[in-house]
Amino acid sequence: DGGITQSPKYLFRKEGQNVTLSCEQNLNHDAMYWYRQDPGQGLRLIYYSQIVNDFQKGDIAEGYSVSREKKESFPLTVTSAQKNPTAFYLCASSIQGADYGYTFGSGTRLTVV
Amino acid sequence: QKEVEQDPGPLSVPEGAIVSLNCTYSNSAFQYFMWYRQYSRKGPELLMYTYSSGNKEDGRFTAQVDKSSKYISLFIRDSQPSDSATYLCAMSRHGSSNTGKLIFGQGTTLQVKP
Repeated sequence: DGGITQSPKYLFRKEGQNVTLSCEQNLNHDAMYWYRQDPGQGLRLIYYSQIVNDFQKGDIAEGYSVSREKKESFPLTVTSAQKNPTAFYLCASSIQGADYGYTFGSGTRLTVV
Repeated sequence: QKEVEQDPGPLSVPEGAIVSLNCTYSNSAFQYFMWYRQYSRKGPELLMYTYSSGNKEDGRFTAQVDKSSKYISLFIRDSQPSDSATYLCAMSRHGSSNTGKLIFGQGTTLQVKP
């Protein structure tokens, strides 16, 4: 079955550490996205990529980095520069233009300890 | 002003009630309209999809788009406790102005009580 897989489901980070969240899709979608979800704040776009080897900053890119070396993969690194990283992170993919919506992964819950 | 406004609720209804969820938007370029359902600690799943104006029905769910009023609605008939979730509206532009990104509402949390 085609889908989008995020791992791990739960992740704990110590202060000052970088952590990487994985996102893989086998839907043959060109575009991929990373969102952050906090209670009462809806979905906020971190980064998105519409083609391999290219990506753009979203609304809250500071403290995050991404890469898009393969069509299937769009990992997100939460760096130590992100001062409030505890959140639910969602990865999504779509055909170009997103006219038919996104397919979301099941999310990664990141907690700073 | 946000491009898409959605009342975050929470909305609590008894089982069997008709639920109305709504979003308003400001950009007349939006042509594709969606509703996502998100259960707690899960990713959103696409529930309804509508292009341009009109109604679309799928079982107990009906999506309506009124482009003249820049207003979209999702109706749930005979609501069930399993409908308890957060519902997000989303929309995208058409053609050359399409940035490839969906614009989401804040989400409305719905609780259906048995």
